[in-house]
Amino acid sequence: QVQLKESGPGLVQPSQTLSLTCTVSGFSLTSNSVHWVRQPPGKGLEWMGGIWGDGSTDYNSALKSRLSISRDTSKSQVFLKMNSLQTDDTAIYFCSRGGPDWGQGVMVTVSS
Amino acid sequence: DVVLTQTPSTLSATIGQSVSISCRSSQSLLDSAGNTYLYWYLQRPGQSPQLLIYLVSNLGSGVPNRFSGSGSGTDFTLKISGVEAEDLGVYYCMQATHAPYTFGAGTKLELK
Repeated sequence: QVQLKESGPGLVQPSQTLSLTCTVSGFSLTSNSVHWVRQPPGKGLEWMGGIWGDGSTDYNSALKSRLSISRDTSKSQVFLKMNSLQTDDTAIYFCSRGGPDWGQGVMVTVSS
Repeated sequence: DVVLTQTPSTLSATIGQSVSISCRSSQSLLDSAGNTYLYWYLQRPGQSPQLLIYLVSNLGSGVPNRFSGSGSGTDFTLKISGVEAEDLGVYYCMQATHAPYTFGAGTKLELK
């Protein structure tokens, strides 16, 4: 059974770095991609970036300078790090294998 | 980056009515292998996106057959043949042919 679960701090201060973890089960990271998608309150979905089975990455052009996605295959975890956070980074952050497989999301608020 | 333009942004329907949502891409979503990675998702309030359609016209697992997808190249349509109350929410198209992946802005389906 495929599962993905996001974890991380609910509150981050402006200008700080966000670190999130996506823990997966039921599939291998070396043969599947995992993506991060976010959704500001009341707004639409934004694809942030993904890491492929071979470990290569792709990023949203608008976030590329601030965003890093990595993984630890031995722990079945994918990581998101984004620096220089501002209030408009407040959102629900989802990880997804693509298709039908999504985590429940984690709410991150950027505020002092 | 590929821009997906969804219309309409809001759709008011009665139960039993058939409706369609359009998703137009700024460039062809047909890849060199002959695949078109166009997906449709439904997001109900407070939930993760649910896959409805993959590869333009294939029904996701457990998705009722009142949903159908069609189109090619840059022009795609999601049709609901007989809206039911559980269909209310926001519909998104997403392309995964060209990195970075992108979502449409969403179409909110509400009861008239």
